[in-house]
Parts: sequence; structure tokens; C-alpha cells
Amino acid sequence: NAGVTQTPKFRVLKTGQSMTLLCAQDMNHEYMYWYRQDPGMGLRLIHYSVGEGTTAKGEVPDGYNVSRLKKQNFLLGLESAAPSQTSVYFCATRTGAYEQYFGPGTRLTVT
Amino acid sequence: AQSVTQLGSHVSVSEGALVLLRCNYSSSVPPYLFWYVQYPNQGLQLLLKYTSAATLVKGINGFEAEFKKSETSFHLTKPSAHMSDAAEYFCAVSNSGGSNYKLTFGKGTLLTVNP
Repeated sequence: NAGVTQTPKFRVLKTGQSMTLLCAQDMNHEYMYWYRQDPGMGLRLIHYSVGEGTTAKGEVPDGYNVSRLKKQNFLLGLESAAPSQTSVYFCATRTGAYEQYFGPGTRLTVT
Repeated sequence: AQSVTQLGSHVSVSEGALVLLRCNYSSSVPPYLFWYVQYPNQGLQLLLKYTSAATLVKGINGFEAEFKKSETSFHLTKPSAHMSDAAEYFCAVSNSGGSNYKLTFGKGTLLTVNP
């Protein structure tokens, strides 16, 4: 039982490049979330999904897209990376008891 | 809209001393409240949660928090700090109403434990 896993763990991009971050869960949770964490800012919600085939915008969605084609996977895409997207990205899932379980994070640097 | 304010971005205590991390929330409906801990280079781990049952909530690693509606607070305490408690702590709020699938986080409090 791996819980929530994220791929890759680290990535360096040049401005304008694209990439996809993968979040996978084996807990059969309906809700999944993407956050970014920046120093002194806490965690900010980028996008979320309340079930397979659904997505919705969070607090800071600009420059990101997401897809939830399968219940166990939630993908976060950057079509044209910018230095402002340098951050640590966390995926999370939510239980019926409202608590969220977090993955280990992806550290992204955009130069 | 819901919000969380954590007073003090950095708290330093001596080993064996009381730990008190402050959290105040704003919510238009009865809230669910959470404390998470983040160790360096790791994800967030749930310490404890309040979901409208007992107002004094006990969590892992000897931490507890008390929900005080009149003060809109959910402060985290531990009677005696241990070196292993050094980490960043986040308070979060979720509405208990229809939009209860989103958490709003505070900016975090970094706890340093001195020997």
C-alpha cells in the first residue's frame, strides 16, 4: 500500500518548456488535489477533482492544467513554464472523514 | 470565505518546555480544523483534527489542540518539547457545509527546539 506517490521527485525546466507531474493513489479516494508550496506562503490550492472525469480550479490555477482520466491518477500540466512556477508541488487525496493525505512532493525549478 | 491566521512564523523553545502554536480561523459556517506537521523535505502529515465532536482533541506524538468557538481559535500544545518535534506546523480549516472538500492553510509556523 503505497498511499500517494508523485513522479518525478525533482525537475529542472527552462522557461517555455512543458511538463506533466503525475500523482497516483491506491486508497480509492474520490477527491484529489494539487497544491504548491512557497516559502512564507503556506500551501495554495491549484486545482482539484471530486471524482474521475471532473476537475475544478482552486486558488492559483493560472498557467496550469489538470486531468483525471482515471480515479487513481491526477495529472498536473505546465504548458509553458515560467520562473514564477518554481515551487514544491504536493498532491493530496481526501478521505470521507475530511482529512487529506499528502504525497512526498515534487521540487520544480524553472530557469 | 474561510481563512486561517497562524501567529508567529517562527517559534523557538527549549527541550522539555511547553510548546504553544497559535491558530485563529475565520469561517461563515461551523468549521472542521486540522493541524499538519511537515518535516524537512517531506510531505504533510496529519497531527490531529476537530470535526465537531469533543473540543479538546488529542493527536499523535503527544500533541493536543482545543477548539474555542468564542475565540475562533485552535491552538496546538505539547507539554514537553522533544528535539524530534522540530518541524513546520500548518493549521488548516475546512467548512462543514456543502463546499467542505477544500482546505485553506495558514502560512505555517516553524518550530525550533533547542537542547
